[in-house]
Amino acid sequence: DAGVTQSPTHLIKTRGQQVTLRCSPISGHKSVSWYQQVLGQGPQFIFQYYEKEERGRGNFPDRFSARQFPNYSSELNVNALLLGDSALYLCASSHPGRDTGELFFGEGSRLTVL
Amino acid sequence: SQKIEQNSEALNIQEGKTATLTCNYTNYSPAYLQWYRQDPGRGPVFLLLIRENEKEKRKERLKVTFDTTLKQSLFHITASQPADSATYLCALEYTGRRALTFGSGTRLQVQP
Repeated sequence: DAGVTQSPTHLIKTRGQQVTLRCSPISGHKSVSWYQQVLGQGPQFIFQYYEKEERGRGNFPDRFSARQFPNYSSELNVNALLLGDSALYLCASSHPGRDTGELFFGEGSRLTVL
Repeated sequence: SQKIEQNSEALNIQEGKTATLTCNYTNYSPAYLQWYRQDPGRGPVFLLLIRENEKEKRKERLKVTFDTTLKQSLFHITASQPADSATYLCALEYTGRRALTFGSGTRLQVQP
């Protein structure tokens, strides 16, 4: 079975631009989460979606938004990019019905803001 | 707010030895504590999960302990191999909240 897939793998933007990152979860997984990982730090929670509804939001500004589609894939959108948004953006899916939060991560989208 | 401390300095050990990584947290104990492995430029990979009412969990060469009194988890890799070299992340999960709170990770380097 395919794992979590993310696109694009790398991208470069300039300050003020907007970016959309995409994620396809593991087949059968209905929950998708987004994390931001700055170099040298652990991943930081941005959003969780389950059955197309936002179930959790981390401490990120309103410039960050996301959505989940009927096929459970997801997009993360970041507007008005800042230099500090440069990071590895990780998508993770999880199995429904389990009482644990074991996450299956994709390889990430590396965003560089110049 | 909850804080997680992992040794920011890299841990260097010889092949065949046991590596022990530490995860300390403040405030209230999580329902679950998880450990992930992350290789450079890759996404984290789940290794082990331990519940708050469990003291120890094992999987092959891996062992995790969880002490809610000390607010600490220890992660052991026995008979370490150079292929075990990676960054190891500790993550906390609280009941009702599927978001994980990660530590900054400890880099393990196993010398042949």
